[in-house]
Amino acid sequence: DVKVTQSSRYLVKRTGEKVFLECVQDMDHENMFWYRQDPGLGLRLIYFSYDVKMKEKGDIPEGYSVSREKKERFSLILESASTNQTSMYLCASSAPRDYNYGYTFGSGTRLTVV
Amino acid sequence: EDKVVQSPLSLVVHEGDTVTLNCSYEVTNFRSLLWYKQEKKAPTFLFMLTSSGIEKKSGRLSSILDKKELFSILNITATQTGDSAIYLCAVEDGSSNTGKLIFGQGTTLQVKP
Repeated sequence: DVKVTQSSRYLVKRTGEKVFLECVQDMDHENMFWYRQDPGLGLRLIYFSYDVKMKEKGDIPEGYSVSREKKERFSLILESASTNQTSMYLCASSAPRDYNYGYTFGSGTRLTVV
Repeated sequence: EDKVVQSPLSLVVHEGDTVTLNCSYEVTNFRSLLWYKQEKKAPTFLFMLTSSGIEKKSGRLSSILDKKELFSILNITATQTGDSAIYLCAVEDGSSNTGKLIFGQGTTLQVKP
């Protein structure tokens, strides 16, 4: 069964900490995405990557960076965590032209910044 | 600015009821519209729609797209408590090959016994 795995289900971090959220997929997908999900706002795109070492900003990249050194791994970095980054973070992957299945999502990381 | 709007934002029904969830969109380069169901964990894929007027069905769920009026509906008949979830609508941005999805706010459905 295809999988997108996010390293942590729940995280609690302090304001100002550097936070790493890891995502690994085993489907050899080219595209990977990081979204955050907040009540009433739906899923908002933070960053995406369409190839190793390639990245593009999404709609809300401020305060975040990403790294994709290997095809299967896409990391989201909060350089200095703030309370307004408390949210559910979802990673997803897809293959170009894979019109039958859209994204495959990870189970999410619920991050609380205190 | 591209956007996807879902309505209602939340809905409470009783088992056996039929529900209709709405999704309207304004996306410059429309490629497809997708529906997902999200329970406690990862959203799971329900439907992908690319052509107007062709209904897609899976059991008690069905969906249809109207590309002229720029909306889609998701119908659930004979609802069960297991249908309680957040239903997400997303439109694929066709301006690149990355398959970027633009999501609506989601509709939270609660089905009471």
